Amino acid sequence: EAGVAQSPRYKIIEKRQSVAFWCNPISGHATLYWYQQILGQGPKLLIQFQNNGVVDDSQLPKDRFSAERLKGVDSTLKIQPAKLEDSAVYLCASSLWARQGQETQYFGPGTRLLVL
Amino acid sequence: ELKVEQNPLFLSMQEGKNYTIYCNYSTTSDRLYWYRQDPGKSLESLFVLLSNGAVKQEGRLMASLDTKARLSTLHITAAVHDLSATYFCASGAGGYQKVTFGTGTKLQVIP
Repeated sequence: EAGVAQSPRYKIIEKRQSVAFWCNPISGHATLYWYQQILGQGPKLLIQFQNNGVVDDSQLPKDRFSAERLKGVDSTLKIQPAKLEDSAVYLCASSLWARQGQETQYFGPGTRLLVL
Repeated sequence: ELKVEQNPLFLSMQEGKNYTIYCNYSTTSDRLYWYRQDPGKSLESLFVLLSNGAVKQEGRLMASLDTKARLSTLHITAAVHDLSATYFCASGAGGYQKVTFGTGTKLQVIP
């Protein structure tokens, strides 16, 4: 079974530039998550999708971050414009279904973003 | 706001010794998760604890959950070097299981 795929793996940009990350979850997984992990900290949930609908985006900085999940499969996370404090690893995860005991999340390899 | 705290934050132990990592969470939780993260790698799911008194074991790791105390523990038995990693607990709540992660415990097992 293929795992969660993410690209790119690394990205270096200057502040005020834009960047986009892509995630392909495990086939058949209804729930998709984007996390931000700053060095030395635990992952912080940015946004959670159930199929193609958003169920939680309370910690997403909506003035600069946006995310979509077209057709309930792939997802993209965009930052525009980037700030220095956005330097982090962006992790995508998926789970079969966020209810009914199917909550194990499978994480992708992450995208390491450095904002200069 | 749900908060999840782990202690210790750093743990250096010798091979063969036993130790426990503690995870406290601030409000009612439906699920408690444990993950492992190797340096530069992504997170690997270890355990999902569903109810009060739940205990799960895999190899030298055993996790338990006390919902009344809002406490989960990850016990390491006879540690080996391969267990060196950062361990995260995370608490899930709500209908769609919004997950909040702890700060992590960096474990170093010394031969």
